[in-house]
Amino acid sequence: GAGVSQSPSNKVTEKGKDVELRCDPISGHTALYWYRQSLGQGLEFLIYFQGNSAPDKSGLPSDRFSAERTGGSVSTLTIQRTQQEDSAVYLCASSLRQGGSGELFFGEGSRLTVL
Amino acid sequence: GESVGLHLPTLSVQEGDNSIINCAYSNSASDYFIWYKQESGKGPQFIIDIRSNMDKRQGQRVTVLLNKTVKHLSLQIAATQPGDSAVYFCAENRGDYKLSFGAGTTVTVRA
Repeated sequence: GAGVSQSPSNKVTEKGKDVELRCDPISGHTALYWYRQSLGQGLEFLIYFQGNSAPDKSGLPSDRFSAERTGGSVSTLTIQRTQQEDSAVYLCASSLRQGGSGELFFGEGSRLTVL
Repeated sequence: GESVGLHLPTLSVQEGDNSIINCAYSNSASDYFIWYKQESGKGPQFIIDIRSNMDKRQGQRVTVLLNKTVKHLSLQIAATQPGDSAVYFCAENRGDYKLSFGAGTTVTVRA
C-alpha cells in the first residue's frame, strides 16, 4: 500500500497474555519508529530502527517489550505478560531520511486493551 | 519532566476565524520542529516543519512561527474549517533521530 500499515487495528487481551503488533512501513523507507500513545497523552518514543544498524531500544519501558525488524522492512512489537498499564495505542512510523530531520509517516495505530 | 509542551490542552474556535496553537520547548539544542495533526482514530499527519535557522514558514492556510529567544513555537491556521478539528502536536528534534512530542492541543471548530 501507499502508507504505513499496522495490524491489528484493535486488540483486546487478558492480563498476562503475550501480544504481537505488526508494522509494514512505506516501501523504501529505511527508518522505522514505534511510539506509544496513552489516552489523552502525547507520543512516547519506544524504539527506532535504521537500516542494518543496531536499533535504539532506549524507550522500551520494560524487558517485557521487544521489537524486531526483518529484512529491513516489516517490524513486530511484542509485549509479553501484558499488564493493564500497557493499554494504549501503539503507533508505527517510517521515514525516508536517516535522522530526525525528516517527516515521519504514521500508521493508524494498534489500540491495545488489557483487561 | 517533559520538555515539549503546549500552553492549552483545548481550543475552541469559530468557523472562519484564525486559530493559534502554542507550544513551548526547553531544549535550546533542538534544531528542527514539526507540527502534526491527529484526527480521531487516525495516526498523526504532518502539517508543517521549521528549522531553527528560520523564524517563520508558511504553508497552505498554516503558518509556523519560531521564537528561539523564548523557546516558543506556534501554529496559525487561517480561516479555520470544520475539518481542522483534531488534536495538534508539536514535536522537536534534539539533534538525533528521535522526535519528542508534546501532549497535544484539542481544537474544536464551532459552526
